[in-house]
Amino acid sequence: SQQGEEDPQALSIQEGENATMNCSYKTSINNLQWYRQNSGRGLVHLILIRSNEREKHSGRLRVTLDTSKKSSSLLITASRAADTASYFCATDAFYNQGGKLIFGQGTELSVKP
Amino acid sequence: GEEVAQTPKHLVRGEGQKAKLYCAPIKGHSYVFWYQQVLKNEFKFLISFQNENVFDETGMPKERFSAKCLPNSPCSLEIQATKLEDSAVYFCASSHRSLHLGGAFFGQGTRLTVV
Repeated sequence: SQQGEEDPQALSIQEGENATMNCSYKTSINNLQWYRQNSGRGLVHLILIRSNEREKHSGRLRVTLDTSKKSSSLLITASRAADTASYFCATDAFYNQGGKLIFGQGTELSVKP
Repeated sequence: GEEVAQTPKHLVRGEGQKAKLYCAPIKGHSYVFWYQQVLKNEFKFLISFQNENVFDETGMPKERFSAKCLPNSPCSLEIQATKLEDSAVYFCASSHRSLHLGGAFFGQGTRLTVV
């Protein structure tokens, strides 16, 4: 089964609103990464947060990490129609040598203009 | 090149036929990964390479799947005797460094349909 579980599975908001997606994982990690997938396309790397970091910002993105709860959240502020996509968290597990990411099930975000 | 190039974009195979997918990683990237995505959700890790060496193959169904990354050639993923359940989008990704240190760049995928 997948390491990460995300909620909500689907989220629909209006342009300008904030969108928050959550991810939980099971094992100790080196880092946690968030990716975006537009329909029919590949994944685009958004942001990486290391296990010793608690919060990270990149533009309109804010990621938090709580290793005690094994959870992360991705906040997109002032959302735009172009943010409509699926968002996946992925963990680089502590036990592996950097050879793979384990993905969550994804959150499908729809931003209505 | 500056993007991961996967070919073909679409591939249709009859059950039992062979399927071969190709991936040209970003120049200078040492790591290559293959993932299988079924039904727009779960990404299943298949195999990773560090240069031409297998780095992690824990996700590979050993009986029918094989992969290679040879010098000066695109990487390849081959499925012998395809089954209906192999229908999926196969993504290749590459990274300059270990995933401990950074994210991966993904190609656009090859959609395999087994009929």
